[in-house]
Amino acid sequence: AQSVAQPEDQVNVAEGNPLTVKCTYSVSGNPYLFWYVQYPNRGLQFLLKYITGDNLVKGSYGFEAEFNKSQTSFHLKKPSALVSDSALYFCAYRNAGNNRKLIWGLGTSLAVNP
Amino acid sequence: EPEVTQTPSHQVTQMGQEVILRCVPISNHLYFYWYRQILGQKVEFLVSFYNNEISEKSEIFDDQFSVERPDGSNFTLKIRSTKLEDSAMYFCASKDTGANVLTFGAGSRLTVL
Repeated sequence: AQSVAQPEDQVNVAEGNPLTVKCTYSVSGNPYLFWYVQYPNRGLQFLLKYITGDNLVKGSYGFEAEFNKSQTSFHLKKPSALVSDSALYFCAYRNAGNNRKLIWGLGTSLAVNP
Repeated sequence: EPEVTQTPSHQVTQMGQEVILRCVPISNHLYFYWYRQILGQKVEFLVSFYNNEISEKSEIFDDQFSVERPDGSNFTLKIRSTKLEDSAMYFCASKDTGANVLTFGAGSRLTVL
């Protein structure tokens, strides 16, 4: 079955250190991959996407992600974490087409400690 | 920046009652979606809607669920007879034609007692 996996329920990192939130995918064809963030009591906010082109994509709030086809991964990264980055992060994919649904990972809770 | 707005933010209801969750998508968007997130679980697709009809629905979206676009701005999700397991956060999203990114609302938390 096609899916995305986020192998870590929680990631802890010290403020100022680099952070990585992992996502791997198991889909056929060329997936469209997304990262969304959910702050407490807030909705799902779009961070970045990979559709085609450069494997390294840059998004909001200094986040970036690298599409790695050989490892079927799309890890989210940031060079220097902020306490305000603490939130729930979701990886998602959808297939090409104008009205395809998003399929979501389970989410990873990121805690950035001062 | 344009937003998707959802009301109510939180609703508590008794099992068996009807619930209507309301969404105002971004004004020029034509594709609309409902997703839900049960506490501690993944976000799940419920239904997509385009051109005044359902495009796709999941197995969760059974006969107890319906969607409607009653006017040019609102997009509603109705649950006819709520069950305890319907307790979740319900997210509305919309998308412009040709766009790849869905814009989500802040969610409506439904608690069924």
